[in-house]
Amino acid sequence: QKEVEQNSGPLSVPEGAIASLNCTYSDRGSQSFFWYRQYSGKSPELIMFIYSNGDKEDGRFTAQLNKASQYVSLLIRDSQPSDSATYLCAVRGAGSYQLTFGKGTKLSVIP
Amino acid sequence: DTGVSQNPRHKITKRGQNVTFRCDPISEHNRLYWYRQTLGQGPEFLTYFQNEAQLEKSRLLSDRFSAERPKGSFSTLEIQRTEQGDSAMYLCASSLAGYVGDYGYTFGSGTRLTVV
Repeated sequence: QKEVEQNSGPLSVPEGAIASLNCTYSDRGSQSFFWYRQYSGKSPELIMFIYSNGDKEDGRFTAQLNKASQYVSLLIRDSQPSDSATYLCAVRGAGSYQLTFGKGTKLSVIP
Repeated sequence: DTGVSQNPRHKITKRGQNVTFRCDPISEHNRLYWYRQTLGQGPEFLTYFQNEAQLEKSRLLSDRFSAERPKGSFSTLEIQRTEQGDSAMYLCASSLAGYVGDYGYTFGSGTRLTVV
């Protein structure tokens, strides 16, 4: 059973701070890693993907991957109230096109 | 609108009835996926098509569920003899072959099913 674990939160950060979201996964053969943002009542929206160890930056977002530790994280710099949403971590295993999602972490950015 | 389109947006049905949902993927995408999401959970994979071929099915997809993608274009997901446990958001996603590992999916807005 492939598992993706996330702290459900809620994670509250003040506006302008760095929000740190974490995810661990069980399948060592996992190849691709994704972060989705989901606003209440809406469908998930892809914000970042990463497949190599290290950091990947896109604007205010940085994804970090450590395959040895089976850990992936998302940093949001200069957090804004509009970043308040549930952040879903998703993992693609070897030889499969399906994604396994975590339950998501609810982020609340306080003005 | 070039996104993934799903219809209907909402469906309320009585237990035991059959329902069918439709998904129109992004036109150049040849891969299509169905997921189900319940409150407080992440999306759960149901099935995957490449063109018209159904290549992966989850154990979650009981014999009451059937999906088709005729001619590799739009897809339908049918649930027969609905049960209250089928109440969920049904999400369709599409992607382009050769890029799914890197670019992930584009999800549609979903169909919210309520079984009463």
